[in-house]
Amino acid sequence: QKEVEQNSGPLSVPEGAIASLNCTYSDRGSQSFFWYRQYSGKSPELIMSIYSNGDKEDGRFTAQLNKASQYVSLLIRDSQPSDSATYLCAVNLRNDYKLSFGAGTTVTVRA
Amino acid sequence: GAVVSQHPSRVICKSGTSVKIECRSLDFQATTMFWYRQFPKQSLMLMATSNEGSKATYEQGVEKDKFLINHASLTLSTLTVTSAHPEDSSFYICSAETGNTEAFFGQGTRLTVV
Repeated sequence: QKEVEQNSGPLSVPEGAIASLNCTYSDRGSQSFFWYRQYSGKSPELIMSIYSNGDKEDGRFTAQLNKASQYVSLLIRDSQPSDSATYLCAVNLRNDYKLSFGAGTTVTVRA
Repeated sequence: GAVVSQHPSRVICKSGTSVKIECRSLDFQATTMFWYRQFPKQSLMLMATSNEGSKATYEQGVEKDKFLINHASLTLSTLTVTSAHPEDSSFYICSAETGNTEAFFGQGTRLTVV
């Protein structure tokens, strides 16, 4: 079992729709969770961090965390073509500052 | 967010030569930096953890004598790829941890070994 798993994608959504990205992790004791966006040929950019169960909203992005289910998700509302990128889920599995990354989900927003 | 600067952004070198990549935290001090490698259409693979003032910690399978890491100050870590070969061609990315568990990435270095 991989330490951090994401739905494989690719995910194609029409402009204005909601894109839903899912991520599960193996270590029940993990405390820190992150979503990064990576455009092709560029380095990852931090878009959300979440540490507590529940929802965290930032603009059009909402992260949801359920530690009991070892599940973290990212919703992108009102998707725009500029949201087309690969989204990486990252988990601080052993709370030692090292991040473990999922394989990424590529999102394409159709105009 | 915090700013991490990585240089160079792109480098082409001949097989057998060495290449140094710099990673700087511009507006914060980073006692810990991380070096990743990313092959096309794959996720980031952690190579090593760079600790200021001490030896780097390498992940399993990463040759410490080939990938030399130096973290001489709280704002600078360097990765030197020694005796580079075409299979070392990849996208190398550093990140720095700000102290509140959030990590920010440099721009990345595209290394091509010919």
